[in-house]
Amino acid sequence: SQQGEEDPQALSIQEGENATMNCSYKTSINNLQWYRQNSGRGLVHLILIRSNEREKHSGRLRVTLDTSKKSSSLLITASRAADTASYFCATALSNDYKLSFGAGTTVTVRA
Amino acid sequence: GAGVSQSPSNKVTEKGKDVELRCDPISGHTALYWYRQSLGQGLEFLIYFQGNSAPDKSGLPSDRFSAERTGGSVSTLTIQRTQQEDSAVYLCASSLIVGGQPQHFGDGTRLSIL
Repeated sequence: SQQGEEDPQALSIQEGENATMNCSYKTSINNLQWYRQNSGRGLVHLILIRSNEREKHSGRLRVTLDTSKKSSSLLITASRAADTASYFCATALSNDYKLSFGAGTTVTVRA
Repeated sequence: GAGVSQSPSNKVTEKGKDVELRCDPISGHTALYWYRQSLGQGLEFLIYFQGNSAPDKSGLPSDRFSAERTGGSVSTLTIQRTQQEDSAVYLCASSLIVGGQPQHFGDGTRLSIL
């Protein structure tokens, strides 16, 4: 079963706008990771946020984590056409080797 | 190369044939993972290796699936007597160590069973 569930399933925005997607999970985690997948390619790791962190930034990416609500959000600011991809959250449970991936959010950035 | 390499990139075969998928992880990565991704879906965990050992094979869909890793490096995923429901993208990933680490993915093998 999938631990993480992304919302929305699909998102279409204009270039320059911000894109926000959310991830909810069910059990306590060690960390949560976000990945990007371009069409026909493998996943690329974007950012990792640990359970004791609340917010993390990397370039135009901002990730928040609310462990009380068991949710995370990924914000992409000033989106570009190259940001068109599917975005997945993945949770790592404590003392476990697995990453559990959600079904992903497909983001389309219109020029 | 510096990344995870998978071969073949595409495989089309007839139902009932055996297929072998190969993964060459990043040098020095002790952990190696296999996933399956159906069209428009998330990733289904299949198996992971710590060195040459596969402590948990419970994600393998059936006994037609097997995997091995030799020399702590290259891994092969074998599917025997393929069925149409085996059609998917098979992704391999590696990480420096096991346990919630960022994983580095190959571009996958797109398997189509006719």
